[in-house]
Amino acid sequence: GQQVMQIPQYQHVQEGEDFTTYCNSSTTLSNIQWYKQRPGGHPVFLIQLVKSGEVKKQKRLTFQFGEAKKNSSLHITATQTTDVGTYFCAGPSSGGSNYKLTFGKGTLLTVNP
Amino acid sequence: EAQVTQNPRYLITVTGKKLTVTCSQNMNHEYMSWYRQDPGLGLRQIYYSMNVEVTDKGDVPEGYKVSRKEKRNFPLILESPSPNQTSLYFCASSFETGNTGELFFGEGSRLTVL
Repeated sequence: GQQVMQIPQYQHVQEGEDFTTYCNSSTTLSNIQWYKQRPGGHPVFLIQLVKSGEVKKQKRLTFQFGEAKKNSSLHITATQTTDVGTYFCAGPSSGGSNYKLTFGKGTLLTVNP
Repeated sequence: EAQVTQNPRYLITVTGKKLTVTCSQNMNHEYMSWYRQDPGLGLRQIYYSMNVEVTDKGDVPEGYKVSRKEKRNFPLILESPSPNQTSLYFCASSFETGNTGELFFGEGSRLTVL
């Protein structure tokens, strides 16, 4: 079955440093979504990318979807303590049903003030 | 306020004692889904529903049942809970089918099976 791999699993940074998490799928994705989960909280939708090579920005966050639509990245510029949490990518499962969303295992970001 | 509401938020139970985790959304969403979250394993889909009376298995459906008799409700049923079902459970809903629309998550239900 489809796999969505995320790296790194953990990332600790000093406040002000940049952060990037990468997501790789074993199959081509029709779209990819990104979620953030604060400690003790629930996942919250950040963005969805649909087009090959798409780049979207939300303030300090930059999201990219690869040309082959098999990988994606989330980059945070100048991290702040409010960025702490786990970042998940998610893509639709391949084959069969189109209604299953497979999540990566997430990247836990901690920020040292 | 648009939300997905799960109950109970916390539950400790014993092996074999049937339990139901309720999920309700007030956004008139077609799609609803259940996930479990375990350390090191991320979010895994248990069951999903594309509309009333339409449900299907996710990646880890064993030991669970669901029903979708009304659009707003999607309860998760553990007929005979076992310790390996100790987990954090999330219900989620989406206006569009689950792979094309933003998922709204409930606050989670932490279940411990002794």
